Amino acid sequence: GEDVEQSLFLSVREGDSSVINCTYTDSSSTYLYWYKQEPGAGLQLLTYIFSNMDMKQDQRLTVLLNKKDKHLSLRIADTQTGDSAIYFCAESLLYNFNKFYFGSGTKLNVKP
Amino acid sequence: DGGITQSPKYLFRKEGQNVTLSCEQNLNHDAMYWYRQDPGQGLRLIYYSQIVNDFQKGDIAEGYSVSREKKESFPLTVTSAQKNPTAFYLCASSIGFGTGVNEQFFGPGTRLTVL
Repeated sequence: GEDVEQSLFLSVREGDSSVINCTYTDSSSTYLYWYKQEPGAGLQLLTYIFSNMDMKQDQRLTVLLNKKDKHLSLRIADTQTGDSAIYFCAESLLYNFNKFYFGSGTKLNVKP
Repeated sequence: DGGITQSPKYLFRKEGQNVTLSCEQNLNHDAMYWYRQDPGQGLRLIYYSQIVNDFQKGDIAEGYSVSREKKESFPLTVTSAQKNPTAFYLCASSIGFGTGVNEQFFGPGTRLTVL
């Protein structure tokens, strides 16, 4: 099956930029997503990118997609303590629109 | 207020008992999903349903069962055959059919502990 990989932890200081990385193996992805999960809660969609794009910016968030290397990243500018959470990347595939593949999640810790 | 609800938030059961987790949505979504989350393992798909009266196994369906008799509801039963049922269970829904963005909306989760 499809494999989506993320590093487990990232620690940054408040005000710095955070970059969370994700790699995937199936090149037939249609959309790639970034979700945020706060402690004890469900996931919320932060942003997404269509697989034909290579960059998308949304306020403090920048998504970069390198389709050749199957690499997705999420950059959070001016990281705040409220950004501390687990971040998941996910993809949906062309041949099974309704089935998502999630990475293992990256726990972001923002130090004051 | 549209959304997706799960109940209860915390559930305790004795080993060997079946237990049913509730998931309801009023977003008029066709597709619904159940995921299991364990620490450091991300989300693993248990079952999903693309339309009423139809559902497919996900990656870890063994020991679980579902039904989809109504569009709004997708209950998950954790049976005694599930070897390690203690986990955080997340339900989600999405529009379903189409070729555009298929955002999944998540419920708040149910933490099941088997004693």
